[in-house]
Amino acid sequence: EVKLVESGGGLVQPGRSLKLSCAASGFSFNDYWMGWVRQAPGKGLEWIGEINQDSSTINYTPSLKDKFTISRDNAQNTLYLQMSKLGSEDTAIYYCARAEGLYPYWGQGTLVTVSS
Amino acid sequence: NIVLTQSPATLSVTPGESVSLSCRASQSISTSIHWYQQKSNESPRLLIKYASQSISGIPSRFSGSGSGTDFTLSINRVESEDFSIYYCQQSYSSLFTFGSGTKLEIK
Repeated sequence: EVKLVESGGGLVQPGRSLKLSCAASGFSFNDYWMGWVRQAPGKGLEWIGEINQDSSTINYTPSLKDKFTISRDNAQNTLYLQMSKLGSEDTAIYYCARAEGLYPYWGQGTLVTVSS
Repeated sequence: NIVLTQSPATLSVTPGESVSLSCRASQSISTSIHWYQQKSNESPRLLIKYASQSISGIPSRFSGSGSGTDFTLSINRVESEDFSIYYCQQSYSSLFTFGSGTKLEIK
């Protein structure tokens, strides 16, 4: 069974950084692209970006390219999202997903709240 | 970025009715569109891939059509469990995008 479990969310002050993790199991992690999607409270889905199997290609939505960094550790079957210079607009549920051009598998999400 | 425009924003229907939800792309994307359902407080669920291809485990009342810039998700005889929000997503460019969603609500 494919399982994706995000962690690392919580309350963070404006301007600070935060790193999210996504632990993958039930499939061969290093065979797949992986991605991050977020959803602000009461809003729609926003694609953040994706990373390929060996981390040689990482795509980001342009508006977040300078703030967010996606990485992965294939030995640990873990995907990461490093977020910097956080603002209130970054308050959202952050989902990781297995990427195949589309997203058949999603984690349950982790809530990040940016507030002083 | 390719912009996806979904309409209507909200659709009010009676259970048993059949509905069509629209997703329009800002440029031609062939059939690189996928549909998701998101129920309250849940992660999105993939319903349809590549405009019209079915997904294992998804009820047959869900179907998709379209190519180029205009796409449709159809639900034949809406059931109570279908009232949720529906999103389209494109994978034509390497920078993926989602539509803003259509909320299907009970009339």
